[in-house]
Amino acid sequence: DIQMTQSPSSLSAFVGDRVTITCRASQSISDYLNWYQQKPGKAPKLLIYAASILQSGVPSRFSGSGSGTDFTLTVSSLQPEDFATYYCQQSYNIPRTFGQGTKVEIK
Amino acid sequence: QVQLEQSGAEVKKPGASVKVSCKASGYTFTDYYMHWVRQAPGQGLEWMGRINPNSGDTHYAQKFQGRVTMTRDTSISTAYMELSRLKSDDTAVYYCAKEGLQLGQYYFDDWGQGTLVTVSS
Repeated sequence: DIQMTQSPSSLSAFVGDRVTITCRASQSISDYLNWYQQKPGKAPKLLIYAASILQSGVPSRFSGSGSGTDFTLTVSSLQPEDFATYYCQQSYNIPRTFGQGTKVEIK
Repeated sequence: QVQLEQSGAEVKKPGASVKVSCKASGYTFTDYYMHWVRQAPGQGLEWMGRINPNSGDTHYAQKFQGRVTMTRDTSISTAYMELSRLKSDDTAVYYCAKEGLQLGQYYFDDWGQGTLVTVSS
């Protein structure tokens, strides 16, 4: 199974900050990497697929990059509604696997 | 628009089984894989398996092999996940998720609202 490791596990930031979350795969997954946002009590929401393609309706302050084993999710200017937990997920093969999550909290 | 409507919360005793349903609407049910993902309280997302609604073929995570069964009823566009021999650490919210496909890429673009399964004696 491909292991997905996110860092950091949590972070505190101010509204307006630029935030970057990293995700590392245990083997090369090309660009088969997706990012999700989850708020408490809600289902995850797709933000980015194929490492860098913004899902329809997702604000342009979210962006993704990377290929191979190393990926990043960036929020260019954190908004109050962005405080949530973020997960990466590989779709390179079965079993699908997720990172452990990164919780973004208000400073 | 796509909707995935899951069945309601369940309370089960250890050793029992639970069957969660996921009714799809707004798209052609047989065109996309349906996956099941669970989340224990305060924990991350855990992939359980998937079903091809067209053929009925399944792939299960090794952790759940022998305990999980995923089925579907195409006449009512509904997928099911049954987990047997429940243990207390199966207490979790169980999600169904439709896996979209574009440009050769797969991603979970629509999710059910989640079903809380509580296992307690």
